Amino acid sequence: DAKTTQPPSMDCAEGRAANLPCNHSTISGNEYVYWYRQIHSQGPQYIIHGLKNNETNEMASLIITEDRKSSTLILPHATLRDTAVYYCIVRVGVNNAGNMLTFGGGTRLMVKP
Amino acid sequence: DVKVTQSSRYLVKRTGEKVFLECVQDMDHENMFWYRQDPGLGLRLIYFSYDVKMKEKGDIPEGYSVSREKKERFSLILESASTNQTSMYLCASSPTGHLFYGYTFGSGTRLTVV
Repeated sequence: DAKTTQPPSMDCAEGRAANLPCNHSTISGNEYVYWYRQIHSQGPQYIIHGLKNNETNEMASLIITEDRKSSTLILPHATLRDTAVYYCIVRVGVNNAGNMLTFGGGTRLMVKP
Repeated sequence: DVKVTQSSRYLVKRTGEKVFLECVQDMDHENMFWYRQDPGLGLRLIYFSYDVKMKEKGDIPEGYSVSREKKERFSLILESASTNQTSMYLCASSPTGHLFYGYTFGSGTRLTVV
């Protein structure tokens, strides 16, 4: 799986958009970008994923650059409950015994009042 | 709406004890996983199972074993608990096939070995 690079921490004001970057310059053509988050003392939670088109769901938007070497997770109106560690993961899009989900260090997002 | 349930939220065991961590999912997923999470080391995969009675080692299987007798249940066993196994243990499940649904994680078990 392609390696990802994320800033270790970020701050965001409550009500503002939180933009979390991820670099994945060695991504392969069949690899997807996934985002998970982990709120303190809970298990990771799936947020969104994409291949090359931008994606949006009720939680967030995912913007993938045209060359696919980086992406940005956008929380449009961050709340205090969005304070968490956010993980960007790149892997092939098939669930089988050979494709594990590997978590890096993630970005610790602190949403401040 | 709980989908992956871990039997204990907090557990304290003594060194040398045999410890069972239980995980149950109600989504009929084929794949199940055990991770441990430690400060500065992130989540590390211990074992996974892609079918009943099947198991595969992850990155750090030493000191652990697993059991999957039924599709919905995946147990992590610490044969002889040691203090370096004090950690947060996370169970997850996923369906086989296209990764459209992602992984679903339990809330975790914080194990302390004294």
